[in-house]
Amino acid sequence: GENVEQHPSTLSVQEGDSAVIKCTYSDSASNYFPWYKQELGKRPQLIIDIRSNVGEKKDQRIAVTLNKTAKHFSLHITETQPEDSAVYFCAALDPLSSGSARQLTFGSGTQLTVLP
Amino acid sequence: NAGVTQTPKFQVLKTGQSMTLQCAQDMNHNSMYWYRQDPGMGLRLIYYSASEGTTDKGEVPNGYNVSRLNKREFSLRLESAAPSQTSVYFCASRDISGGGNTEAFFGQGTRLTVV
Repeated sequence: GENVEQHPSTLSVQEGDSAVIKCTYSDSASNYFPWYKQELGKRPQLIIDIRSNVGEKKDQRIAVTLNKTAKHFSLHITETQPEDSAVYFCAALDPLSSGSARQLTFGSGTQLTVLP
Repeated sequence: NAGVTQTPKFQVLKTGQSMTLQCAQDMNHNSMYWYRQDPGMGLRLIYYSASEGTTDKGEVPNGYNVSRLNKREFSLRLESAAPSQTSVYFCASRDISGGGNTEAFFGQGTRLTVV
């Protein structure tokens, strides 16, 4: 199945700076890459996703880039604010689960702390 | 529209006790999932159900059983709880029609402690 590695595990930035979280995946057939944000004590929620026919996608201060050749994708948060502090998870759609429940394989998470 | 609802939110069990975590979704999704979340390990898939009447093992199924009661409900059972099952459990659902490149919606989580 798919294997997703995520780095760094923790990241601290000053308010207003940018934050970058990187993920790599193992199966070149994967074609869907979502990012989830989980605030303390809350459920994970989708913040942005990208499909394999697109190299970059932006939504206000958040952007995701995808390099299919290198099998990695990244989350970029610009002008960080204290409310961006959370755990962020990347994920990839496991192509071996095609025809079944289309499983998402998650990275291990990044704890982002935005310092005021 | 409540989304995904799971109960209970918190539970403490003694080793060897059994319990069932309940999950229900009102989004008419076919696929439902149970994950466990442990520090530094992300979300690991325990069991999933592609559709009503079908269930399959995920990455970490040992010690768990599931039931897809109907399209809305997917329960997770611990028959004989062990301290290693102390974790936060999340139920999720997705609409996999059209290729499956769709958002997963999560329940609010169950924090389970086994002593």
